[in-house]
Amino acid sequence: SQQGEEDPQALSIQEGENATMNCSYKTSINNLQWYRQNSGRGLVHLILIRSNEREKHSGRLRVTLDTSKKSSSLLITASRAADTASYFCATVPDNYGQNFVFGPGTRLSVLP
Amino acid sequence: ETGVTQTPRHLVMGMTNKKSLKCEQHLGHNAMYWYKQSAKKPLELMFVYSLEERVENNSVPSRFSPECPNSSHLFLHLHTLQPEDSALYLCASSHVGVGGELFFGEGSRLTVL
Repeated sequence: SQQGEEDPQALSIQEGENATMNCSYKTSINNLQWYRQNSGRGLVHLILIRSNEREKHSGRLRVTLDTSKKSSSLLITASRAADTASYFCATVPDNYGQNFVFGPGTRLSVLP
Repeated sequence: ETGVTQTPRHLVMGMTNKKSLKCEQHLGHNAMYWYKQSAKKPLELMFVYSLEERVENNSVPSRFSPECPNSSHLFLHLHTLQPEDSALYLCASSHVGVGGELFFGEGSRLTVL
């Protein structure tokens, strides 16, 4: 069954603005990861947050995790046209070391 | 160039053809994966090989047959496919164990006529 669900499905913003994407999941997790995919290409890992962490930063990316609400958010600050892509969350459930479960993704368009 | 290489990048085949997708990783990982990505659907995990043994097979039709001859190579053999099998097939690799990130190839775009 599907684990992660991103929200919104699509997001369109102007360059320089911040973009926030949310991910909800259903079962317990060991960690949650965010990936980026440019159109027709492979996915690229962005950031991993473990279940005992609440917030993590990497450059212009900020990820939060709320295990009580089973949700995570990805914030991209000062967006650029090059950030245009689809963003996916993936959960790694307890006891499933290789069972990464991806949500349907958020399509982000950053307009120049 | 990523550490995971997929060939071919594009493939068109008829429903009666037999073809194979190939994946090679140069990262020293010991787990490899096949995912299917269809339009407007989440990534679907098809197969996982960990330490060269198949550990996941998510109810994939038998017309898809995986092969993992060693920890660096993964194949997906295709035969008598259906038009609804047209999709982007993504290979990935990781270190065995909870928490490792996935490294993806660029994918093989398959069209079944």
